[in-house]
Amino acid sequence: DQQVKQNSPSLSVQEGRISILNCDYTNSMFDYFLWYKKYPAEGPTFLISISSIKDKNEDGRFTVFLNKSAKHLSLHIVPSQPGDSAVYFCAAKDFNKFYFGSGTKLNVKP
Amino acid sequence: GAGVSQSPSNKVTEKGKDVELRCDPISGHTALYWYRQSLGQGLEFLIYFQGNSAPDKSGLPSDRFSAERTGGSVSTLTIQRTQQEDSAVYLCASSLYGANVLTFGAGSRLTVL
Repeated sequence: DQQVKQNSPSLSVQEGRISILNCDYTNSMFDYFLWYKKYPAEGPTFLISISSIKDKNEDGRFTVFLNKSAKHLSLHIVPSQPGDSAVYFCAAKDFNKFYFGSGTKLNVKP
Repeated sequence: GAGVSQSPSNKVTEKGKDVELRCDPISGHTALYWYRQSLGQGLEFLIYFQGNSAPDKSGLPSDRFSAERTGGSVSTLTIQRTQQEDSAVYLCASSLYGANVLTFGAGSRLTVL
C-alpha cells in the first residue's frame, strides 16, 4: 500500500512558465516532507523540504506547499528552465523511514 | 568520502547467479538505507541500518535478499539465485542519525538475463 503517491507520471511545461508537481500522502504521522530531483544515470539529489509544522517553504525558484488537512504536497518551480527537466520524487518521513512516490517526469521545453 | 559511493555501477548477470552490490556511505553517517527502483516505479525501501542497532529488514522482498553492514560503514546487499524481476537500479543512501535528508549514491543497475 503506497503511502506517498504522485498521480502524474509526466508533465510538460514551456520555459519561463510555472511547473506544479503534486503529491498526496495517507499517513498523518509523517513529520517531514522532501522533494528530490533525479537525472538519468544519477542518484536522486535533495531539492527542498518542509516540516509538518509549516505550510510553505521557499528556496529561490522552488517553493513547496503543504496542506495537512488535505494530505497534499506540491512543488512550484518559477520560472521553469530547460535544466529543470528531470524526474521529481516527493518523499515523506516517519521516524527514521523515508517513503517515496513513484516520480513525475518534468519536461521543460525551450 | 565526499559522497555515497556504490559499486558496480552496472551489473549484468544470468538468472540463478548470486550478486553482491556495495555501498560506501559518507564518512560519519550512521544511518544507511537501501532502496530499489524498478523500471517505471518509485523508490522501494529495502533495508535500513542505524549504528549497531538491529537493521530494519521489513522491505526485503524475499529471503533471497540479505544485507550486512560491517564496522558501521560499508554495506553489501546480496541477492541470491537472481530472477529476472530483480532487474532494477539499487540505490544506497546515508544520513546522520535523525537527520531529515538522505544523500544518495548514483546506484547500481542490475540486469538479470
